[in-house]
Amino acid sequence: AQSVTQPDIHITVSEGASLELRCNYSYGATPYLFWYVQSPGQGLQLLLKYFSGDTLVQGIKGFEAEFKRSQSSFNLRKPSVHWSDAAEYFCAVSLDSNYQLIWGAGTKLIIKP
Amino acid sequence: GAVVSQHPSRVICKSGTSVKIECRSLDFQATTMFWYRQFPKQSLMLMATSNEGSKATYEQGVEKDKFLINHASLTLSTLTVTSAHPEDSSFYICSARVPGASGNTIYFGEGSWLTVV
Repeated sequence: AQSVTQPDIHITVSEGASLELRCNYSYGATPYLFWYVQSPGQGLQLLLKYFSGDTLVQGIKGFEAEFKRSQSSFNLRKPSVHWSDAAEYFCAVSLDSNYQLIWGAGTKLIIKP
Repeated sequence: GAVVSQHPSRVICKSGTSVKIECRSLDFQATTMFWYRQFPKQSLMLMATSNEGSKATYEQGVEKDKFLINHASLTLSTLTVTSAHPEDSSFYICSARVPGASGNTIYFGEGSWLTVV
């Protein structure tokens, strides 16, 4: 079955440390790939997306993600996290331009002072 | 930039009553909107796809008679939870698709917390 997997339910990192959130998908073709962030009590905000082209995608707030076809992965990274990055992060994919997104379970990011 | 607004952000209703949640696209026309539901500590679940001027397409397992979706205009879609029960308490989020030259973009509303007492 088609699925999106975020293997880490929560991750704790120190402020200023680097971050990598994992996302894997299982589809026959390359889907459209997204990362969203949901801060407490707020709606979702798009961090970045990949459609085609350069496999390293730059997003907002200093985030980037790299698409690796061989690993069916789209991991999110940030070189130095800030306390304000504490939130829940969702990886999502869409198979077509209709954009019915299929979501990972989310990873909660906790920042240690 | 494009903005999607949801209202109300929080609502408490009595069991057995109905409650309506609005999703508006503020500065663009949205022919397609999506409604999601998020259970505590779980990911988003797509409930239905709302198309302007036609019936919504519901995902398997979603009761169309309980979750009424209306997309009467290009800027407004509504979700009505009918005969609400405590198990309907959840976080509901809408999103709208905006076609663009470089592909479609999805914008999300702020979400609506529904508590049924």
